[in-house]
Amino acid sequence: GAVVSQHPSRVICKSGTSVKIECRSLDFQATTMFWYRQFPKQSLMLMATSNEGSKATYEQGVEKDKFLINHASLTLSTLTVTSAHPEDSSFYICSARVPTSYEQYFGPGTRLTVT
Amino acid sequence: QKEVEQNSGPLSVPEGAIASLNCTYSDRGSQSFFWYRQYSGKSPELIMSIYSNGDKEDGRFTAQLNKASQYVSLLIRDSQPSDSATYLCAVTSVIKAAGNKLTFGGGTRVLVKP
Repeated sequence: GAVVSQHPSRVICKSGTSVKIECRSLDFQATTMFWYRQFPKQSLMLMATSNEGSKATYEQGVEKDKFLINHASLTLSTLTVTSAHPEDSSFYICSARVPTSYEQYFGPGTRLTVT
Repeated sequence: QKEVEQNSGPLSVPEGAIASLNCTYSDRGSQSFFWYRQYSGKSPELIMSIYSNGDKEDGRFTAQLNKASQYVSLLIRDSQPSDSATYLCAVTSVIKAAGNKLTFGGGTRVLVKP
């Protein structure tokens, strides 16, 4: 299957600071990437759809000014959590859609802890 | 009514037996169906995709799709302790406005006991 990487895998930051998470498709070009958040023992929650060269589409209830998404190339999307607070602590996972199909492959995830 | 429904489990299966997981979906416009495996603390891993009615086999996994009944299932043959995980059913609509995003079920937790 296709390979998607994420960096960093873990990050601890202080409340009020910003954190950037990178998502890369390593062996294919992804015009569409997705960002999810998952709290312990809960289902994946889609935060936004990221399209290369255009603005991201955010799901209802997700603050676009807090979770900044940039999809500047066909292999890279970034999620920046601005002014992070302890309630933003979660497991953030990206996925990338293979252009020729509807299959989505997930990155390994980033565990964010805000102290 | 949830868009994609799964029994949360846990589904307890003896080692070597067949694990049978079920998923129903409400959107008749759904065209693509996927099964993901997620180990605790890890991200989901795509294990099967199915697009047309019938069975699709890949190794020990068989996916079954019945669009008329809006039902998709996953069989795991010769279950191993390493198959213990949460299995997520996901569905994509072809409606362009939906942006090809996946709608996930809540997942079924499978426990394979030696």
